[in-house]
Amino acid sequence: EAQVTQNPRYLITVTGKKLTVTCSQNMNHEYMSWYRQDPGLGLRQIYYSMNVEVTDKGDVPEGYKVSRKEKRNFPLILESPSPNQTSLYFCASSSMAGGYTFGSGTRLTVV
Amino acid sequence: QKEVEQDPGPLSVPEGAIVSLNCTYSNSAFQYFMWYRQYSRKGPELLMYTYSSGNKEDGRFTAQVDKSSKYISLFIRDSQPSDSATYLCAMSFLVTQGGSEKLVFGKGTKLTVNP
Repeated sequence: EAQVTQNPRYLITVTGKKLTVTCSQNMNHEYMSWYRQDPGLGLRQIYYSMNVEVTDKGDVPEGYKVSRKEKRNFPLILESPSPNQTSLYFCASSSMAGGYTFGSGTRLTVV
Repeated sequence: QKEVEQDPGPLSVPEGAIVSLNCTYSNSAFQYFMWYRQYSRKGPELLMYTYSSGNKEDGRFTAQVDKSSKYISLFIRDSQPSDSATYLCAMSFLVTQGGSEKLVFGKGTKLTVNP
């Protein structure tokens, strides 16, 4: 089944403890992206990548890092999480501009 | 002015009604236009995708793009309770030719179709 898989689905962590949210797609897509979704603010792009080793900042990149060492994987790294990074995170991938397939989401709580 | 504006609703209609959802945008660089549907506790799901002005139909769904007015619409005919979800418009452009993409979403309109 063609899909984008994110892990974990739910995560509660403490301020300052480094964490990684993994994202993997099995569709051989070039484009991959990370978003956060917050009430009243909608989906906002954190980082995106058009291919291996090519990444660019989105609208809200502060406090996040990404890497694209393999085409299928695009992990999101929070080096020192803070409470304002509590949010619902989505990874997505596409073979063309715009037509993204989204993962099921990761609900992160930073206390 | 925000890049993409979408009325958050909520919108409540009876089963069988025609639903019209709309977004306006300000950035004329946008090339690709999409509608996503998001059920509660799920990721957005691509419904419609287009890159030109005009209408595109898929079953009960019709997407309309008017680039001159910077306005896009999604029409749902014969709406069903299973259509109850949040609908997100989205639009994008390539930052460089063959390069990275900037994708911007509207905030979503919550739709409820009542049996």
